[in-house]
Amino acid sequence: DAGVIQSPRHEVTEMGQEVTLRCKPISGHNSLFWYRQTMMRGLELLIYFNNNVPIDDSGMPEDRFSAKMPNASFSTLKIQPSEPRDSAVYFCASRRSTGNTEAFFGQGTRLTVV
Amino acid sequence: GNSVTQMEGPVTLSEEAFLTINCTYTATGYPSLFWYVQYPGEGLQLLLKATKADDKGSNKGFEATYRKETTSFHLEKGSVQVSDSAVYFCALSAVMDSSYKLIFGSGTRLLVRP
Repeated sequence: DAGVIQSPRHEVTEMGQEVTLRCKPISGHNSLFWYRQTMMRGLELLIYFNNNVPIDDSGMPEDRFSAKMPNASFSTLKIQPSEPRDSAVYFCASRRSTGNTEAFFGQGTRLTVV
Repeated sequence: GNSVTQMEGPVTLSEEAFLTINCTYTATGYPSLFWYVQYPGEGLQLLLKATKADDKGSNKGFEATYRKETTSFHLEKGSVQVSDSAVYFCALSAVMDSSYKLIFGSGTRLLVRP
């Protein structure tokens, strides 16, 4: 298995632009997580999907952030408009939702908003 | 609620020293416990796990024992190497609001000097 695949690995954009981050979970995993990691706040859970349905989006910072999971093999995290304070590494992770199983992480997308 | 607390870093050790990184948790029910490791520029990787009380997870010389009586899951290694330098995250998975949620500690940076 190729693992969790995220794209792009690096993104540099100007303030005000729309940014879309992509994630392909491991086949057969039906839970998907989006995390943000910064030096100041560490690892923050943004949103959690189970069977393509958002279960907990309480970590989404504000209305500029949105996430979708149109099918079991694809998810996006969109920021519109982007701001410099959104600069961070964004991780996607997936796992089987049956039981207390471990999650598998992608390599992350390093976002820089200038 | 459910939470994970781990010791603040950075932890700086000389090569071949003994390592302990403390982790305690609060949880309802019967959580599973995990240690993840993050090397520079990479995503989080599962290091070891334990699914019930008194289980010992082990991998690459690292060990942690699930202690229900002290609600702890401390990470240990008898002799660290420079290559162990990384950030270590303690995590738990437990049922919350009818779904399995994954909660991470704030991470502990380990620096091993030659």
